[in-house]
Amino acid sequence: GAGVSQSPSNKVTEKGKDVELRCDPISGHTALYWYRQSLGQGLEFLIYFQGNSAPDKSGLPSDRFSAERTGGSVSTLTIQRTQQEDSAVYLCASSIGTHGNTIYFGEGSWLTVV
Amino acid sequence: DQQVKQNSPSLSVQEGRISILNCDYTNSMFDYFLWYKKYPAEGPTFLISISSIKDKNEDGRFTVFLNKSAKHLSLHIVPSQPGDSAVYFCAASGKTGTASKLTFGTGTRLQVTL
Repeated sequence: GAGVSQSPSNKVTEKGKDVELRCDPISGHTALYWYRQSLGQGLEFLIYFQGNSAPDKSGLPSDRFSAERTGGSVSTLTIQRTQQEDSAVYLCASSIGTHGNTIYFGEGSWLTVV
Repeated sequence: DQQVKQNSPSLSVQEGRISILNCDYTNSMFDYFLWYKKYPAEGPTFLISISSIKDKNEDGRFTVFLNKSAKHLSLHIVPSQPGDSAVYFCAASGKTGTASKLTFGTGTRLQVTL
């Protein structure tokens, strides 16, 4: 498809387990973002990749969260030792990358930690 | 520190009337603003944007107004339709640092009634 693709769409995991969320951005988009939205909250920035530059990790809430972007395309967000407060929808987005260009979102990965 | 604020969590408007959604920001470095629409269980969808060199941008039923001196923008939907019922997020970005990183407001839930 032409849009941002995320998987899994839904994930239920036990507290303490690790999870990986995958994002496949729009072809040709050099910038990739991860946001999350907890129940009743706004969109919270997590991390931003732009080309070969060092990622902006300023939004990651703890060292249990990490993300990689391999080959400038697909990205994986990893949450280690999940906690119940990690339950949220994790949204990936991509853009051409230069300032002033629209950022397009995927459908999100809904994570529930039980 | 909420740099982008949407002070009205919800708004109800009758079909055919005008919907006005408001957004305030505090960071004077923001120079590009966007509105996103989000339906339940879907990712945010880009609606309309405006650069700080303009004070108005129109696209069909949607118009965004920017008042830089007041650090305020608004989205007007005329006429409102039932399909417009969704959560609307205001977002902003600036040229410094990570140029395209968007900072989002907490959203306004619009309900268009028959």
